[in-house]
Amino acid sequence: GDSVTQMEGPVTLSEEAFLTINCTYTATGYPSLFWYVQYPGEGLQLLLKATKADDKGSNKGFEATYRKETTSFHLEKGSVQVSDSAVYFCALSDRGATNKLIFGTGTLLAVQP
Amino acid sequence: DGGITQSPKYLFRKEGQNVTLSCEQNLNHDAMYWYRQDPGQGLRLIYYSQIVNDFQKGDIAEGYSVSREKKESFPLTVTSAQKNPTAFYLCASRHQESTEAFFGQGTRLTVV
Repeated sequence: GDSVTQMEGPVTLSEEAFLTINCTYTATGYPSLFWYVQYPGEGLQLLLKATKADDKGSNKGFEATYRKETTSFHLEKGSVQVSDSAVYFCALSDRGATNKLIFGTGTLLAVQP
Repeated sequence: DGGITQSPKYLFRKEGQNVTLSCEQNLNHDAMYWYRQDPGQGLRLIYYSQIVNDFQKGDIAEGYSVSREKKESFPLTVTSAQKNPTAFYLCASRHQESTEAFFGQGTRLTVV
């Protein structure tokens, strides 16, 4: 079945460092891809999305490009801030009848001042 | 404001008791989902519903039950048959024409 694999954390960075969180997927069709962010004790918020190959999603300085040839959707940010500390989830949505969201295990990012 | 509301935020129950978690949305979304989150395991799908009066089991439905009597509401009951119910539960909803899901703030259930 469809699945998402993302790099394990925690990822610890200093403020203003460059961030990459790797995400790869397995899907039989052409899924939509997402990054969600979860702050402590809260639900998930959509960070960005891409619905077809070569699309780039971007929001709040974060970017991710839908790479069909490598089945990847890596999250990047050029300069992280302490306020970016959170858990980041990569997810895909199949386009079948169920339209379910399938999540990776999450990556904890800790940014130190 | 439109949104999805889960209540309560924290819930404590004794072992062997059933407990119901509330999820309400006023976004006019057709589909609703329940996920369970455990440390290091990401989110796992419990149940989902695409229309009123219809729902399907997800990957870990055993020990849980749901109902979808109204479009706005999708309550989850954690029964005494659920062997390890302590977890963070997240409800989500999505419009039929959209790929994007919106999440509630979650309910942290602790069974003692």
